[in-house]
Amino acid sequence: TQLLEQSPQFLSIQEGENLTVYCNSSSVFSSLQWYRQEPGEGPVLLVTVVTGGEVKKLKRLTFQFGDARKDSSLHITAAQPGDTGLYLCAARYGNNRLAFGKGNQVVVIP
Amino acid sequence: KAGVTQTPRYLIKTRGQQVTLSCSPISGHRSVSWYQQTPGQGLQFLFEYFSETQRNKGNFPGRFSGRQFSNSRSEMNVSTLELGDSALYLCASSPNAGRSTDTQYFGPGTRLTVL
Repeated sequence: TQLLEQSPQFLSIQEGENLTVYCNSSSVFSSLQWYRQEPGEGPVLLVTVVTGGEVKKLKRLTFQFGDARKDSSLHITAAQPGDTGLYLCAARYGNNRLAFGKGNQVVVIP
Repeated sequence: KAGVTQTPRYLIKTRGQQVTLSCSPISGHRSVSWYQQTPGQGLQFLFEYFSETQRNKGNFPGRFSGRQFSNSRSEMNVSTLELGDSALYLCASSPNAGRSTDTQYFGPGTRLTVL
């Protein structure tokens, strides 16, 4: 079973539309990270959320950590083609290993 | 500062062979982690090294091994390759050893194809 479940797996939207993707778990985490991976490259960190209920904004991207620190969401406002990529959530578990969800593949069509 | 570099970028091997992948972390970073990425399983943790010591290991068979040198450079070895080992192997470095808020700086990966 996957520690972090991301949904939807794939999302295709038109430029200018809004979208929200989710990262869920039955486990509680001290922090959670979101990365974005573009084709042919490794993932790049977007944000780290630490406090339950925390909201962080990165330009048109809004990240929220659930109150119980088990889940997180990423909302993109007025999506642009440059937002296309694989969005990965990650958290440490067990013996401090880093686990990733399978990702949300986002495609923004011009 | 130069980013994480991985060599080679692409590799084609046949079943039964072995392969060694190399990773050079960002200068000053002492922690190096390795991940396997496949379409079906996503990104899975292989192992983490800090100051030449393996700190953590994921749930992979003993065919997968690694090491870290005194200059923090790391190598990963896979012996007796199987078709299922075809994947993108990513290396990531960070300044410290596995704090939950640490940023992992990833390299571009090595694409391994096993025929």
